Amino acid sequence: NAGVIQTPRHKVTGKGQEATLWCEPISGHSAVFWYRQTIVQGLEFLTYFRNQAPIDDSGMPKERFSAQMPNQSHSTLKIQSTQPQDSAVYLCASSLGQDTQYFGPGTRLLVL
Amino acid sequence: QQKVQQSPESLIVPEGAMTSLNCTFSDSASQYFAWYRQHSGKAPKALMSIFSNGEKEEGRFTIHLNKASLHFSLHIRDSQPSDSALYLCAVSPANSGTYQRFGTGTKLQVVP
Repeated sequence: NAGVIQTPRHKVTGKGQEATLWCEPISGHSAVFWYRQTIVQGLEFLTYFRNQAPIDDSGMPKERFSAQMPNQSHSTLKIQSTQPQDSAVYLCASSLGQDTQYFGPGTRLLVL
Repeated sequence: QQKVQQSPESLIVPEGAMTSLNCTFSDSASQYFAWYRQHSGKAPKALMSIFSNGEKEEGRFTIHLNKASLHFSLHIRDSQPSDSALYLCAVSPANSGTYQRFGTGTKLQVVP
């Protein structure tokens, strides 16, 4: 079991560019979560899918952030017109249900 | 909505000391309580969990849960420099339609 896979591990973009982050959950896990982590804000919930359906996106900045899960083996988080304040580590996690979440290594996004 | 809060925000303890980390939650119907540990530059990883009131010990680590007080804690006996990390508490709700919520974390540093 390879665990949760996230690509790329590091991404540098210029202000105003688009960034797409990928997540492959653990096979068989029905829930996929996206978080953003910074030193100042800590771990922030962004969005949650269960059985590929979006359940809760209450943490997503509505204007520029979007997430999709087109099939059970991957999810994407897209940030349009990136801003320096979007710089963070973006973590994807998956779980069988309501309990233990298994995190990927994260994508470190730097917006210049 | 479930609120999960941790204290203290940061903690420095000498090697060999007992460390105590605290987590409070707002929903008394919550049913699963966990601690995650995140070493610098790594993903959070589940450390220990508990379902019912009381305590659970695994090696140097002990969880105490008191649902009536809306409080659970992690105690680390004989703290080691390798225990230095960010500790996140997590609470899962009784409602099957939602998901585990995380606190903002306690940064622990164990100094030799």
